[in-house]
This record gives sequence, structure tokens and C-alpha cells, in this order.
Amino acid sequence: EIVIIQSPTTMAASPGEKVTLTCRASSSVSYMHWYQQRSDISPKLWIYETSKLASGVPNRFSGSGSGTSFSLTINSLETEDAATYYCQQGNTYPWTFGGGTKLEL
Amino acid sequence: QVTLKESGTGILQPSQALSLTCSFSGFSLSTSGICVSWIRHPSGKGLEWLADICWDDGKGYNPALKNRLSISKDTSNNQAFLRITSVDTADTATYYCARSWEWYFDFWGPGTMVTVSS
Repeated sequence: EIVIIQSPTTMAASPGEKVTLTCRASSSVSYMHWYQQRSDISPKLWIYETSKLASGVPNRFSGSGSGTSFSLTINSLETEDAATYYCQQGNTYPWTFGGGTKLEL
Repeated sequence: QVTLKESGTGILQPSQALSLTCSFSGFSLSTSGICVSWIRHPSGKGLEWLADICWDDGKGYNPALKNRLSISKDTSNNQAFLRITSVDTADTATYYCARSWEWYFDFWGPGTMVTVSS
């Protein structure tokens, strides 16, 4: 099983700041996918195939990385970005998620 | 428009079996490349992928629970099913079904809460 470690676990930031969330996989993967979950509603696909923004995602979000190290960056935070972000690998069964980064504004 | 909705037993006692149904619209599980997964989210913890079933009837299971899981589908009626046997309190969670395409989950249902308690 590919284990994914996300860091930090929790992050506090202010509107207008730039933040970077990271995922590290225990084995190399082709892509990393990211999901946003606000409060208790269902997760939403946010970034797929490492760097492609899902429909409706603001372009202040970006994704990058390769191999075992991936990141999600938010340029100029807005209050609506407060959420928990999960990364997920679809390279090898079982599909696995990171533990999440809770972003507080 | 793709939609999914989960339904199932809300409260169970330990050792009982949990049956979940995912009813979906806007896509077909006979379309090449499409799968439906079950994912759960225990309160205060992270997301855990449980199982998936694909257009070619291929199935995948999380080895951590494999002996307890059974996934199936009814393509004609646009439904997917998950059965979990011998539940215990650790199975208390919100259960989601999600469509996957190219091994990421592009549409999710609203989730259904399952509580295991004696």
C-alpha cells in the first residue's frame, strides 16, 4: 500500500497570503489528485493529474510535483479557501488518501 | 448532469451486516473507463477508500477490510452496492460513493451516516 503523508496537518493563514500544502508518497506515483472538503459536506475534486484544475476551481490554485513529492499552492488566499485538503494516489491499488491538511483563515 | 446518492442502514449493532446502495444518474457503469467507489470518513479522521467496481465488472478491495467487503452493481438500474459484514464501532463513519475516471474521483454523493452501537 502506498502511504501518503500530508504536511502540515493544520495551517493558519490570513487572506492575501500565499500557502503551500505538501504530499509525500511512500512510493513513486504518476499523478497526485487533490480534494477540498468544507465543513461536513462531501469532498470535491479540486486538482487532478497533479496540475489540472477541476471545473470551477479558481486559478489562484495550482498543483505541481512528481515522483513522491507533490504540492498544492494557493496564491492570495481568500476566506472561502478555508477547508481540509486531501491528496490521493490512483497509481496502485488500494487507492489511498493523505491524512489531510486543515487550512484555517 | 452527474449525481450520486447513498442510502443504507443508519444504525446497526456490532456483528451485524451493513448494506449500502449508491443510486446514480448522468452516466452509465457500462461506459468504458468508468468505476464507482465506496469511500468512508470517520469523524475526526481521514478518508479511507474501501472498494470499487468498474464498467468491465472488475472489482478492487481495500486489503485492510477485504474479507468483510462485497461490491456489486446493477447496470440497468444505475446502482452500485456495498456490503460490509461483522461491523463494529470502528465502522462508524460517513460513507460516500463516488464516480471515478482515470483513477480520480470526479463526482461524489452527499454521503450517508452509519453508526455502529450496542
